Order: sequence, then C-alpha cells, then structure tokens
Amino acid sequence: DIVMTQTPLSLSVTPGQPASISCKSSQSLLHSDGKTYLYWYLQKLGQPPQLLIYEVTNRFPGVPDRFSGSGSGTDFTLKISRVEAEDVGVYYCMQSIQLPLTFGGGTKVEIK
Amino acid sequence: EVQVVESGGDLVKPGRSLRLSCTTSGFMLGDYAMSWFRQAPGKGLEWVGFMRSKPSGGTTEYAASVKGRFTISRDDSKSIAYLHMNSLKIEDTAVYYCSVRLRYFFDYWGQGTLVTVSS
Repeated sequence: DIVMTQTPLSLSVTPGQPASISCKSSQSLLHSDGKTYLYWYLQKLGQPPQLLIYEVTNRFPGVPDRFSGSGSGTDFTLKISRVEAEDVGVYYCMQSIQLPLTFGGGTKVEIK
Repeated sequence: EVQVVESGGDLVKPGRSLRLSCTTSGFMLGDYAMSWFRQAPGKGLEWVGFMRSKPSGGTTEYAASVKGRFTISRDDSKSIAYLHMNSLKIEDTAVYYCSVRLRYFFDYWGQGTLVTVSS
C-alpha cells in the first residue's frame, strides 16, 4: 500500500498569515498517462470532507484562490496564502494511483 | 441540484449484518463511479470500496480490511447505492460516507451515517 505522510500534525496560524502543509508518498504518484493522482481535502468539524485540490494543482470549482497545491513525484505541498477563520479544520492528502486509495493522517489547522 | 444522502446506520452486535443506503439525486448514478469511505471516532479517513460507473463495467474494489465481508451494489433505477456489511467487527465502528465522482474526483459527499458495532 502507498503510505501518505503529512506534516505537521497541527498548525496554529494567525489570520492573514500563510500556512503550508506537506504530504509525502511512499511511491511516485505520477502515472504513465502523465497525470499525478494527488488530492487535498478539508474536513471541517462535524462535516464530510470537501475536495479542495485535484491532481496536485487544480482547484475544485468554488475553492478560493488563496489555496494552492504544488509538488511532483512523491513530495507535495498545500499552501494557504492568507489563512481565514473559515479555513480551520483537518486537511488530508490522498492518492488514487494505486489501490487501496490511501489518505495522509491529517493536519489540523487552527486559528491563533 | 446534486444530493447524496446516506442512511441505515445503527447500533449492531459483532457478527451481525447491516445495509447502508446512499440515495442520490440530480444526476444518473450509474453514469458515475461511487465510493464508500469511513471514519472511526476521532480518527482519519479510510477508503472502504468503490464501484465503477456502468460504462466502465460497474465492477467493484474493496479495502483489504473489508474484502469478503462488505459488498457494494447499486440500483440505478432508484439512484441508490448500497453497502452490505456482513460479519461486522467492533473495529468497523465509524461514520460511513458515500461519495460520487461527478467531475474531477470523489467530489460530492453525503453527511455520513454512524455505524456502531458493540456487544
């Protein structure tokens, strides 16, 4: 199984400041079709996960442009340029290049 | 409007069976892949299994932890997907989410339904 490792475990951010979450996979997520199958989800308290980013860099429609994804191969990053109060929750990375689909352990983002 | 609603969660004893439903609207369920995920209390997300779209064969895949015990099925005429869970274990206790791959990935999720396995 592909292991997804997220760091940090938690993050406390002042509103308006940037935040960055790292996700590393145990195998490359680059498929022979040229796509990289890495996704980012945000789960707010008491809610289901919501898709933020698909295929490393693409924002899901409606996701604010302060969210951006980057990376390649096995190393990926989710950045929030200016954290807002509504961004609190747990962020998960996920891979779908290989079954079983696997998630990172999550990064909890809170506001200072 | 796209809607995904899970139901059927309950308190059951170990070894018993339960069927969860995922009722959808706003699209043709059979045209899209759908998946079940779960989240144990206070834990992270875990993939349970998925069913490919009808055009892709409608075949299923499962996580090792549930293979042979859980089965996904779908009634396209009713736009409902099911998760049939047999031989339930205490470690199957979780909120179960249904998700549909409508546009880019598993991008539409229900609110979840709680399954508690306890004697």
